[in-house]
Parts: sequence; structure tokens; C-alpha cells
Amino acid sequence: GQQVMQIPQYQHVQEGEDFTTYCNSSTTLSNIQWYKQRPGGHPVFLIQLVKSGEVKKQKRLTFQFGEAKKNSSLHITATQTTDVGTYFCAGGNTDKLIFGTGTRLQVFP
Amino acid sequence: DVKVTQSSRYLVKRTGEKVFLECVQDMDHENMFWYRQDPGLGLRLIYFSYDVKMKEKGDIPEGYSVSREKKERFSLILESASTNQTSMYLCASSLLLVAEQYFGPGTRLTVT
Repeated sequence: GQQVMQIPQYQHVQEGEDFTTYCNSSTTLSNIQWYKQRPGGHPVFLIQLVKSGEVKKQKRLTFQFGEAKKNSSLHITATQTTDVGTYFCAGGNTDKLIFGTGTRLQVFP
Repeated sequence: DVKVTQSSRYLVKRTGEKVFLECVQDMDHENMFWYRQDPGLGLRLIYFSYDVKMKEKGDIPEGYSVSREKKERFSLILESASTNQTSMYLCASSLLLVAEQYFGPGTRLTVT
């Protein structure tokens, strides 16, 4: 069946360093979404990308959707302690949204 | 603001008990979902429903059933709880099947 893999599983960074998480699908996606889950919280929607090669920015966060619509990345510039949490991608096809396994980000002050 | 609520934040049940987890959304969403979340395994879909009384199995339906008698309410049932069902259970709703999902706060279930 369709799978959405996410790497790395964990990432520890020093505050101020950059961070990137990658999402790869075994099949072409109609859209990709990104969610953030703070420790002890629930996933919260961040953004959706739909077009091939699309790039969107939210302050220090940059989201990309690959040309083939099979992969995506989330890059955080100059991490802050408020960025701590688990980041999930979710790939959509015709009738399903499949969540990646998540990348847990820890930021040390 | 979309609101998805779950009946309990924490629940402790004994092996063999029947367990009901309730989820309510207030945005008139057609679609509702139940996931379980375990460390290192991400969010795994148990069941989803795209309309009242309609349900579809997700990736890990074994040991679970669901009920959707009203549009706003989606229940997850563990017929006979087992220790391997100890987990965080998250409910979500969405307007379309591949649209943004709104999650409830989660129920941390412990089966002893």
C-alpha cells in the first residue's frame, strides 16, 4: 500500500541552528500537508502544498513540494526553543491522507 | 474556530473491559477519523467515517469497532481491551477526505 516515510526520526539541535525534515512517498500525491505537535499536545495543521515544485514560507519555516509530487521538505531557519515538537507530513491521494512517521525536534538553549 | 473534543484525557481500564472513546466536532464536517499514536510509529489510522452510519477500515482496525449515529459524533469501541491497546488515541475531523484535519486533544488509554 501507499507509504509516506519521514526522516530523520529524531533531531537535536542547538538553538540558532537550522533544521530540515524530509518526507517521501511511494506514489504521486495530490497534496502534502504539514502538522506540528507540541509535547503533550495534538497535531495542528501548518500548511498545505498542492502544486509541483511549490514553495511556501511561514516566517522561519520553508515548505517545499517536489517536482514529481512524491517528496516534500520542511526547513526551519535559526531554530528557537518554541520550535520543539514533532513535525508530521501527510500526503494526500484521491481519497486518503496518509501521515508520515514524524520527526521529533529537540532544541537546546 | 473548529473544535474537536474527546470524552476523556486519561483513561485506565482493565484487560477484557469494553471501552468507549467518544469524539464530538462542531464544524459540521462530513469526515471523522480515529488514530492511535505510539512512539516511533507516528499516527496510524484505525477507522474513518465519511458520513453518518458509514465507516471504513483504516490500517489497523483489528480489535476495534466504531459507531457514527450522528454527524457530529464518532465513537471508538474496544470490545475487549488488551494491554497492547495501551496508547494515545486521537480523533480528527475534516471537510474533505484529503483536506486539513482538525484533531482533538487525545485520550491516553492505559489497559492493565
